[in-house]
Amino acid sequence: DAKTTQPPSMDCAEGRAANLPCNHSTISGNEYVYWYRQIHSQGPQYIIHGLKNNETNEMASLIITEDRKSSTLILPHATLRDTAVYYCIVRGTGGGNKLTFGTGTQLKVEL
Amino acid sequence: GAVVSQHPSRVICKSGTSVKIECRSLDFQATTMFWYRQFPKKSLMLMATSNEGSKATYEQGVEKDKFLINHASLTLSTLTVTSAHPEDSSFYICSARDTGTSGYEQYFGPGTRLTVT
Repeated sequence: DAKTTQPPSMDCAEGRAANLPCNHSTISGNEYVYWYRQIHSQGPQYIIHGLKNNETNEMASLIITEDRKSSTLILPHATLRDTAVYYCIVRGTGGGNKLTFGTGTQLKVEL
Repeated sequence: GAVVSQHPSRVICKSGTSVKIECRSLDFQATTMFWYRQFPKKSLMLMATSNEGSKATYEQGVEKDKFLINHASLTLSTLTVTSAHPEDSSFYICSARDTGTSGYEQYFGPGTRLTVT
């Protein structure tokens, strides 16, 4: 699986959009970009995933660059409850592929 | 959404004893489950992949005789930490893959905090 690079930490004001970047320059054509988050002392929570096109759901939007070498997770109106470690992971969809976690980005949402 | 449960959520045991952690997929079938371990302020590290009805596949450096995994049904996998030592104290998280979806979506349990005294 391709590796990803994320900033170790980011701060965001409550109510503002949080834009979390991820570089995955070695991604291959059949690999998806997944985003999970982990709130302190809980299991990871699925947020969103995509292949080429931008995706949006009730939690977030995922913007993938045309060359697929990077992506941005957008939380449109961050709240204090969005404070968590956000993990960007690339993974194929074959049954043998595993989710391998990097170090992620610690997002801190403040008043 | 899909729900994965773990039991117990927290356990304290004495050094040398064994501890069993259960992982259940509540509303979907999971032929594949994963066990992760997470030390404080560190990322999740995959320990093993558990396939229903067959032996688990362990990641490099993980002792299969110490971390026994059983995946006897499509909704239940267990991890037994045998002869636990204080260095085994960690946050253990299981994950189940929903093979009913096209993308092999993977859902995580809430984790089990193990403390070995």
